[in-house]
Amino acid sequence: KAGVTQTPRYLIKTRGQQVTLSCSPISGHRSVSWYQQTPGQGLQFLFEYFSETQRNKGNFPGRFSGRQFSNSRSEMNVSTLELGDSALYLCASSLGYNNQPQHFGDGTRLSIL
Amino acid sequence: AQSVAQPEDQVNVAEGNPLTVKCTYSVSGNPYLFWYVQYPNRGLQFLLKYITGDNLVKGSYGFEAEFNKSQTSFHLKKPSALVSDSALYFCAVSLGGALTFGSGTRLQVQP
Repeated sequence: KAGVTQTPRYLIKTRGQQVTLSCSPISGHRSVSWYQQTPGQGLQFLFEYFSETQRNKGNFPGRFSGRQFSNSRSEMNVSTLELGDSALYLCASSLGYNNQPQHFGDGTRLSIL
Repeated sequence: AQSVAQPEDQVNVAEGNPLTVKCTYSVSGNPYLFWYVQYPNRGLQFLLKYITGDNLVKGSYGFEAEFNKSQTSFHLKKPSALVSDSALYFCAVSLGGALTFGSGTRLQVQP
């Protein structure tokens, strides 16, 4: 079974631009969650989508948004990029229940110049 | 609010020796606890989970974890460490589709 696929792996942007990251979950998984990983703040939850609906949201500004399509693929968008948005963005998929593990992709490394 | 603490930034152990990576948690209700490992330039790999039942949970690659409700701990263990176990380890608690992670512990296994 194919794992979680994130594209692109690396991205360089400048301040003020916007970016869209993509995530393809494991087949059959209806839940997709996004996380930001930085050396200073560690791993932080952004949001979770289940069956095309945002089910849970972390404490991030409205510049961070996402969506999920009918095939469970998900995209994350960050607008008006700031230097502090430089991070590894991780996507994880699961069956959608608290007692099930989330399976992670290898992430998108976003660098803001 | 739920939280997870990993009190050690780094753990050093010699190859062949047992290893322990510590984790304590704070949740209301029954916890759903997980351990993940991260290798350089990779995402997180699931190792094991505690949902309910036996306090000793067995996982991938010979790892196990001991759940202790009275001490609110969920320590990761392995009887005999390998150099290839050197990586970053995260403890996490799950609620509502969101994982709350500890700060991570870097495990260094010396040959």
